[in-house]
Amino acid sequence: DVKVTQSSRYLVKRTGEKVFLECVQDMDHENMFWYRQDPGLGLRLIYFSYDVKMKEKGDIPEGYSVSREKKERFSLILESASTNQTSMYLCASRLTGTQEKLFFGSGTQLSVL
Amino acid sequence: RKEVEQDPGPFNVPEGATVAFNCTYSNSASQSFFWYRQDCRKEPKLLMSVYSSGNEDGRFTAQLNRASQYISLLIRDSKLSDSATYLCVVSRLTGTYKYIFGTGTRLKVLA
Repeated sequence: DVKVTQSSRYLVKRTGEKVFLECVQDMDHENMFWYRQDPGLGLRLIYFSYDVKMKEKGDIPEGYSVSREKKERFSLILESASTNQTSMYLCASRLTGTQEKLFFGSGTQLSVL
Repeated sequence: RKEVEQDPGPFNVPEGATVAFNCTYSNSASQSFFWYRQDCRKEPKLLMSVYSSGNEDGRFTAQLNRASQYISLLIRDSKLSDSATYLCVVSRLTGTYKYIFGTGTRLKVLA
């Protein structure tokens, strides 16, 4: 079964810190996604990567950057964390060419104080 | 207006009841449709894809009405374990496939 692993389940950081959220998938999927989920707003796409070193901005990329140096790993970076980035962050992957089934990691609940 | 809209609920139903959720989408270019289930503090998981002809998986039936741009999910004989949030998701091709999530409908099945 596909496994998408996020490095931390809970994370507490201070305003201004640089934050790295890591995501690893074991199914050789080309496409990987970072979403954030907030009450009443649903899942919103931050960044998308369609292959190694390829990335595309999602709907809310401001304040975030990403890195995809290896196919299995997609990192989300908060250059200078702010309180409005407190959220649940979800990583997902998908095989190219199929519209079906996003596989999600278990999420990282980030609190920025 | 959100591109995918759902009634947030909660829908509180007794065990054994039949419950239906609707979801509307605004972009007629939407191509694929899904229902995901999300348990509290967990990640979303695909419940079922939704096909134009309608499809069934055990106690779950999904239907799509392209003309009216809505999707439905029917759960028969509700179980306590069905308590969760149900996310309506649509996808469309914009260079790559884009997934748009509804905010979810919360279901509580009561003993």
